[in-house]
Amino acid sequence: AQSVTQLGSHVSVSEGALVLLRCNYSSSVPPYLFWYVQYPNQGLQLLLKYTSAATLVKGINGFEAEFKKSETSFHLTKPSAHMSDAAEYFCAVSEGGGYQKVTFGTGTKLQVIP
Amino acid sequence: GAVVSQHPSWVICKSGTSVKIECRSLDFQATTMFWYRQFPKQSLMLMATSNEGSKATYEQGVEKDKFLINHASLTLSTLTVTSAHPEDSSFYICSARTGTHAGGGYTFGSGTRLTVV
Repeated sequence: AQSVTQLGSHVSVSEGALVLLRCNYSSSVPPYLFWYVQYPNQGLQLLLKYTSAATLVKGINGFEAEFKKSETSFHLTKPSAHMSDAAEYFCAVSEGGGYQKVTFGTGTKLQVIP
Repeated sequence: GAVVSQHPSWVICKSGTSVKIECRSLDFQATTMFWYRQFPKQSLMLMATSNEGSKATYEQGVEKDKFLINHASLTLSTLTVTSAHPEDSSFYICSARTGTHAGGGYTFGSGTRLTVV
């Protein structure tokens, strides 16, 4: 069975500061990992995905994440937070191959303080 | 890029009535779509996997007779909430797998806010 754990339901950072959102996964097979962002009353937008290629994945809006197998982690980072980054972020895992379902973490709400 | 259109974006209905939510893939064919439910301040819970031309696969605990899913074409899946009750009020989101390789990503609709009064 696959699962993800997001540490911290709420994270607050100052504008311009480093953003670090934590995600640990569990999977019985090599996983595919995703980070999504959700703005209020909207669907999810894909930020980036890991599919067994490069371990450092760069996404949209300046976000990146690093796959660390030894730590079963896929933390999301951004060097400098913008006000527009305030949203809810979901880490997700899929065991890949065909149309496998995606399991989401409980989400982390990012607050950016001016 | 791949776009999934979900309609309506919000709906209010009376208890006992049925509501249909549509999910369309606009520029690609989606043989499989997924329906999620999101409670306030919680994550997305997969309700069912919708397969074009066949019966949907429901997750444990989801009432298939209450949440009817139809995937009659490669670009349209519908979720009908039958005999809706206030506890069915929630945010419903559909998604479709994009890309021809595993892990190609999932494109999500913009969601439907259902309020049952």
